[in-house]
Amino acid sequence: DGGITQSPKYLFRKEGQNVTLSCEQNLNHDAMYWYRQDPGQGLRLIYYSQIVNDFQKGDIAEGYSVSREKKESFPLTVTSAQKNPTAFYLCASSMNGYGYTFGSGTRLTVV
Amino acid sequence: AQKVTQAQTEISVVEKEDVTLDCVYETRDTTYYLFWYKQPPSGELVFLIRRNSFDEQNEISGRYSWNFQKSTSSFNFTITASQVVDSAVYFCALFYNQGGKLIFGQGTELSVKP
Repeated sequence: DGGITQSPKYLFRKEGQNVTLSCEQNLNHDAMYWYRQDPGQGLRLIYYSQIVNDFQKGDIAEGYSVSREKKESFPLTVTSAQKNPTAFYLCASSMNGYGYTFGSGTRLTVV
Repeated sequence: AQKVTQAQTEISVVEKEDVTLDCVYETRDTTYYLFWYKQPPSGELVFLIRRNSFDEQNEISGRYSWNFQKSTSSFNFTITASQVVDSAVYFCALFYNQGGKLIFGQGTELSVKP
């Protein structure tokens, strides 16, 4: 079945460490997105990519980095520059905004 | 600027009551899509409806109905005869072609008590 796979489901990071969240889709969607969710703040866009080897910053890109080397994959790295990384992270893919598919999310906690 | 506002942060109702979740949006684009998603405690987003800017027909799906009014830039969502299983966070979202991205409102947490 087609869909989006995010891994891991839970991730713990020590302060000062970089961590990478995985997002893979087999829907042949061109566009992929990363969102961050904090309690009471809804979903905020971190980065998005509309085509392979190209991506744009969203509203809260500072402290994050992405790559889009393959159509199927859009990994997100949370760097040590992100001062408050504890949050729920959702990945999504879309074909031209017509339909979105979301992953099941990764819950990142700084310990 | 493109923006989605869900002014109701939390709503609490008793089972079988009707409840309306408000959504107001801002966009300069003439072509855009509006969405509603449900997020249960497990965290995944469940798609409920998509409406394009040229279709102002209201829609009903079972106990769910949506009222789209371009004149007031609103896309409100009503649950009739609410049930405990409707308890979740509900998000309204806007996709506009010029931006190529989906932006969300802050979400409304609905609690339906037995």
